[in-house]
Formats: sequence, structure tokens, C-alpha cells
Amino acid sequence: GENVEQHPSTLSVQEGDSAVIKCTYSDSASNYFPWYKQELGKRPQLIIDIRSNVGEKKDQRIAVTLNKTAKHFSLHITETQPEDSAVYFCAAFYFGNEKLTFGTGTRLTIIP
Amino acid sequence: ETGVTQSPTHLIKTRGQQVTLRCSSQSGHNTVSWYQQALGQGPQFIFQYYREEENGRGNFPPRFSGLQFPNYSSELNVNALELDDSALYLCASSLAGGGSSYEQYFGPGTRLTVT
Repeated sequence: GENVEQHPSTLSVQEGDSAVIKCTYSDSASNYFPWYKQELGKRPQLIIDIRSNVGEKKDQRIAVTLNKTAKHFSLHITETQPEDSAVYFCAAFYFGNEKLTFGTGTRLTIIP
Repeated sequence: ETGVTQSPTHLIKTRGQQVTLRCSSQSGHNTVSWYQQALGQGPQFIFQYYREEENGRGNFPPRFSGLQFPNYSSELNVNALELDDSALYLCASSLAGGGSSYEQYFGPGTRLTVT
């Protein structure tokens, strides 16, 4: 089955700097890669996603890149703000499998 | 916030008991997936329901079962509760066509504690 590895497990970044979280997946059939943000005690919130026919996608301060050959994808957050502090999860999915396989999460702390 | 709701918010049960958790999907969505999130871990897929039928299952024993109703709401039932079943149970709704679903939106979860 699919296996998703996520690094780093914790990340501290000075406010205003950039943060990068990386994930690798094992199943080359995976074709959809969402990122979720989960604040303490709250639901995972879909913040950005990318499909396998696209190499990069941006939404304001957030971007995701995908390298299908290497089977890895990354989340980039620029101009970080205190409200970006949360746990971030990557996930992989493919049609026919019907399940999201999540990474182990990255606890991002923005230092004011 | 998504339009996905779950009930109850919190639940305490004793080992060996049975529990039913409920989920109402976002308007316009026809698919519900259930996940178990243990403390400090990522969500683990339990199963998915589409058109009132199970449409994919993760590595969970048969004592985890579910239902989907004609209005697309769903239930998760867990029999013979074990201590390790203590977790946050999340449902996610999505719109699937032909069995393919992409964007999944999560509800707030039900925190289950088994003592």
C-alpha cells in the first residue's frame, strides 16, 4: 500500500521567513496530493492541493511543488505569520484506492 | 469552516461497549470517509461510503462498521471497544463522480475515550 513520509517533524521559523515541509510517497499511481493544516483541538483544514498533471501551484503565500519522477512534493510558506503556527499534514491519494494516506505531520512554530 | 458536522463532540465509553458516531456531509457532497486520529499522529483511513455502500476500507477490523443514508449522512459503529480505540474520529465529505473523489473536507471530529 501507499506510504507517505514527511519531514521535518518539527520546524521553528522566525516570523517573516519562509518554511518548507517535504513529503515523499511510495506508490507511483498516486495522483492527488493535498496539504492540511490542523490547529490544536480543531479539524484538519485543506489549505492547498495539487494533481499529478501539474508541477506547481500557488495560492497567495502558500505554494506546493510536485516531482513525480522522484515521488516527492513540498509545501512552501512565505512571509510566515504567527497564525501559521499549527501542525501540517501532507497526504497522497489515487483514483481507485479511495483513501487519503497521511504523513506523520510537521509541527510548525512561528517565532515572533 | 466546512459544512461538515459530527456528533457527539466527546464521548467516554468502557472497554467492551459499543459506540455510534454520526456525520452530516457538506451540502452537495455524496461521499463520506472516516478516519481515526490517535494523539500526535496523522489520520488513518477507516473506510469510505459512496451511494450508501462501502467503497474502500483501510486496515481496521470488522468491528468497525458504517452506514450511509439516502441524505448522504453517515454513521461509524465500533463494537467491543478496546483501550486503543481512544482517538479523535474524523469524517470527511467529498463529491465523487464515477467513484473518484478528490477534495475532502473534514468535520470537527468526535473525541472518543475508552476506559
